Amino acid sequence: GQNIDQPTEMTATEGAIVQINCTYQTSGFNGLFWYQQHAGEAPTFLSYNVLDGLEEKGRFSSFLSRSKGYSYLLLKELQMKDSASYLCAVMGLTGGGNKLTFGTGTQLKVEL
Amino acid sequence: DAGITQSPRHKVTETGTPVTLRCHQTENHRYMYWYRQDPGHGLRLIHYSYGVKDTDKGEVSDGYSVSRSKTEDFLLTLESATSSQTSVYFCAISESSGTGDNEQFFGPGTRLTVL
Repeated sequence: GQNIDQPTEMTATEGAIVQINCTYQTSGFNGLFWYQQHAGEAPTFLSYNVLDGLEEKGRFSSFLSRSKGYSYLLLKELQMKDSASYLCAVMGLTGGGNKLTFGTGTQLKVEL
Repeated sequence: DAGITQSPRHKVTETGTPVTLRCHQTENHRYMYWYRQDPGHGLRLIHYSYGVKDTDKGEVSDGYSVSRSKTEDFLLTLESATSSQTSVYFCAISESSGTGDNEQFFGPGTRLTVL
């Protein structure tokens, strides 16, 4: 089975940098995803890591260490619109389809 | 944005009644998924499909059935709705299951309330 842990809530200041951690235990691993979800809306894809290291996409970066079962999402130059829930999800190795197991999400609040 | 629609967007029903939710895609993606999202639990997979007439169970499939008779439509049925099935239901699609083009795109969600 899969077990994914991430902090429930975080608060940060506009313009600052915030790191959201995710640890996982899994019986099979085929990649880790980060999604952003604003209140009342659908999750939207942010990043995908399958190899160790850092993937950078503009203000957002995601890091993966498979040996440690650890990932983080780094958000730079925070904006008020970044206030949202950030979901970590692990893709397991299965016979059909890429089944994602989601963490419960980290609610990020960006303050002035 | 990926072309995914869900219907209805909101529904209130009574315990014991059947309910069908529809997910429609215009992307011709092979894989389709149904999730429910509840406070404290995050997104949980109910059922998924890896092709027309090919479906499999997810983590929380009890009380739910699905059907996929054509590529673009994936139906989720609650045969006899219970209050524990009150939730927000999301449909998702993906093009592949490998290590490329495998991100899932989500529909807008359906808020279901069972009284």
